[in-house]
Amino acid sequence: SSELTQDPAVSVALGQGANITCQGDTIRHYHPNWYQLKPGQAPILVIFGKNNRPSGIPDRFSASRSGDTATLIITAAQAEDEAFYHCNSRDNDVYYWVFGGGTKLTV
Amino acid sequence: HLQQWGAGLLKPSETLSLSCAVSGGSLSGYHWSWIRQPPGKGLEWIGEISHSGSPHYNASLKSRVTMSLDTSKNQISLELTAINAADTAVYYCARDSGKIDLWGQGSLVRVSS
Repeated sequence: SSELTQDPAVSVALGQGANITCQGDTIRHYHPNWYQLKPGQAPILVIFGKNNRPSGIPDRFSASRSGDTATLIITAAQAEDEAFYHCNSRDNDVYYWVFGGGTKLTV
Repeated sequence: HLQQWGAGLLKPSETLSLSCAVSGGSLSGYHWSWIRQPPGKGLEWIGEISHSGSPHYNASLKSRVTMSLDTSKNQISLELTAINAADTAVYYCARDSGKIDLWGQGSLVRVSS
């Protein structure tokens, strides 16, 4: 089965850019989805597929991929962006979803 | 909108039962997943069930998991048997449209004797 690896924590100054990475072999085959998690709230999909934002997600969120690593890019981070971010993708070998361990973004 | 409910405190060896109601839509056309997050850990996909009732389970939990749906009530359900402390987690129901794009608010389930 596949694994997705994320850095546990990233810090960014207000208004600066932040990159959150997700590394795993399945990334070579599938663009991951990215979720924002805040305590006590339902997780929110912020990026899906190659670089698509659901309705209502600010355009400061974007994504890229190179080889086995995908990156969630937050330009001009805002205070409300402080949250955990998890990547997810389909497993290479079996039919299920795998998640990264999550990255805590501190703004 | 997904609204979840179920018992929040269980004893070891008991059965966890959670339900999730879909409002403002129907079960048709989607797969429905259950996902959990143990304290301080990452998200774990438990499994999913299609709108026609066909399930796929995470191999690590397959022997203990049952998912079902009730199309007349627009509800999905999760049962996890023989629970232990490692099953303590926030449990989420979620809609899968090819991507998991809608989540319930989460249900904290604690396993303690």
